[in-house]
Amino acid sequence: EAEVAQSPRYKITEKSQAVAFWCDPISGHATLYWYRQILGQGPELLVQFQDESVVDDSQLPKDRFSAERLKGVDSTLKIQPAELGDSAMYLCASSLIWTSGIGEQFFGPGTRLTVL
Amino acid sequence: AQSVTQLDSQVPVFEEAPVELRCNYSSSVSVYLFWYVQYPNQGLQLLLKYLSGSTLVKGINGFEAEFNKSQTSFHLRKPSVHISDTAEYFCAVMGGGNMLTFGGGTRLMVKP
Repeated sequence: EAEVAQSPRYKITEKSQAVAFWCDPISGHATLYWYRQILGQGPELLVQFQDESVVDDSQLPKDRFSAERLKGVDSTLKIQPAELGDSAMYLCASSLIWTSGIGEQFFGPGTRLTVL
Repeated sequence: AQSVTQLDSQVPVFEEAPVELRCNYSSSVSVYLFWYVQYPNQGLQLLLKYLSGSTLVKGINGFEAEFNKSQTSFHLRKPSVHISDTAEYFCAVMGGGNMLTFGGGTRLMVKP
């Protein structure tokens, strides 16, 4: 069964360092999402891509976060510099959009980031 | 704009007992509702979804949910829980652009 792949699964870094997370969506899924999930809370959308284009990044802290999906397939989320408050689970999801305009999102296993 | 409220942050229950996890939503557009389950240090897995049609939706692992438009609710139920159902459960509403808005989650703790 096709799955969304993410790496690394765990990342520990010191504040002010740069970190990067990678996501490979299910083959053929044009829409890709990055979520941040703080411990004890629900996921919050950071950025949504349609193919290689950003559809929504209104919740992405653009002073330190960046996301790209250069060829419309896999994607990278970067944080530079990392802050203590960035400690969270970062989830990637992908979906096909049905003709109705909606589609089920499939989630990867996530990357748990700890900033010391 | 959409929002989701999960009324209980934790629900303890004994094994083989029934359980209900409550979810209320608000949405200014057509309502599409989802329940996801998350096991420790894992991603989210879809339990069930309501898109249209019958208001009683059946999902995986014996779970079901009922969409109630007048009460703006989408409560999740299971008639008999197992230890393996211990997890975090998230209710979500889908708005424009296929964007999900999640509730804060309910931790289901099944005790032997």
